[in-house]
Amino acid sequence: LAKTTQPISMDSYEGQEVNITCSHNNIATNDYITWYQQFPSQGPRFIIQGYKTKVTNEVASLFIPADRKSSTLSLPRVSLSDTAVYYCLVGDINFGNEKLTFGTGTRLTIIP
Amino acid sequence: DTAVSQTPKYLVTQMGNDKSIKCEQNLGHDTMYWYKQDSKKFLKIMFSYNNKELIINETVPNRFSPKSPDKAHLNLHINSLELGDSAVYFCASSMDRFSSYEQYFGPGTRLTVT
Repeated sequence: LAKTTQPISMDSYEGQEVNITCSHNNIATNDYITWYQQFPSQGPRFIIQGYKTKVTNEVASLFIPADRKSSTLSLPRVSLSDTAVYYCLVGDINFGNEKLTFGTGTRLTIIP
Repeated sequence: DTAVSQTPKYLVTQMGNDKSIKCEQNLGHDTMYWYKQDSKKFLKIMFSYNNKELIINETVPNRFSPKSPDKAHLNLHINSLELGDSAVYFCASSMDRFSSYEQYFGPGTRLTVT
């Protein structure tokens, strides 16, 4: 399993764009990159997943460079409700490799 | 409508007791999971079932026994509870085992063993 490294915590002001970077130097060819969000006292929630280049949905964008050794989750114009822990997960979703391995995550605090 | 529900939300019990946590999903998913989140907030998978069949069984004490009566339910029974079992337990589901990257989590059950 590819090891991931993320900042332990980040602060940002409301209205700003927030970028959280995850390093995964030994990512394998079959590995996908997935991000989850966890609010206090709730279960994690799937945000976005990608393999290469850029993926965008209604919540966030995910940027993955050509070498795929890192990825950046971008949250546009954050609000106080975006305060949460964000997890970067890297894994092979092929048959027989169904495990999601959560790391320590990045605790994002949005400041009014 | 709650997609993945767990009962109870809180569970306080004494060492040595046996307890169960129930999980139900109304998403029509084939695959369900149990996770444990300890006091340091590490979230670790314990078990996974696909259509009532056990497919992931991590290194978990055999005091923990999952049971899936049907694909919409995955219950967790814990025998002889120990202090170290105190944690938040999350149930999750995914459409199938090929969609395990997108899991839907329940609200969690906070277990406190005294």
